[in-house]
Amino acid sequence: DGGITQSPKYLFRKEGQNVTLSCEQNLNHDAMYWYRQDPGQGLRLIYYSQIVNDFQKGDIAEGYSVSREKKESFPLTVTSAQKNPTAFYLCASSMAAPNQPQHFGDGTRLSIL
Amino acid sequence: AQSVTQLDSHVSVSEGTPVLLRCNYSSSYSPSLFWYVQHPNKGLQLLLKYTSAATLVKGINGFEAEFKKSETSFHLTKPSAHMSDAAEYFCVVTPNTGFQKLVFGTGTRLLVSP
Repeated sequence: DGGITQSPKYLFRKEGQNVTLSCEQNLNHDAMYWYRQDPGQGLRLIYYSQIVNDFQKGDIAEGYSVSREKKESFPLTVTSAQKNPTAFYLCASSMAAPNQPQHFGDGTRLSIL
Repeated sequence: AQSVTQLDSHVSVSEGTPVLLRCNYSSSYSPSLFWYVQHPNKGLQLLLKYTSAATLVKGINGFEAEFKKSETSFHLTKPSAHMSDAAEYFCVVTPNTGFQKLVFGTGTRLLVSP
């Protein structure tokens, strides 16, 4: 079945540590996205990529980094500069055309040790 | 600029009764609108979408929504709630052209009692 796979499901970060969240899709979508979800705040866009080897900052990119070396993969690194990383992180993908809905993975929950 | 307001943070219904989740939007452009559902510790699943065709949109699991431009609303309804409908629902707006940056509402938690 086509879909988006996020791993790990749960992740713990120590002080001063960078951690990387994986996102893989087999939907042949050009565009991929990372969102952060906090209780009562909906989803906020961290980074997005419309094509391989190109990506753009979203609304809350500080303390995060991404790469897009393959169409299928869009990993997110939460750096030590992100002082409040505890959240639920969602990856999504879509066709790079107007009116296309985004398809979401099942998320990674990141907590601080 | 675009924004979405979900008018209720929580809605409680009894199983078998109608569901109404309210959403108002603001958009400088002709919008596309979506409703997504999220079950605990899961990703978001698309329920339905409006993209300037028919104003009454039917989705999965018996849900439907009506686009009312004069009221800038896109309320989600279902005639009869089921226990499995208990979840968080998000109303989303995006421009009808160009890059699909989604703007999310803050969500409505639907509680269904037996």
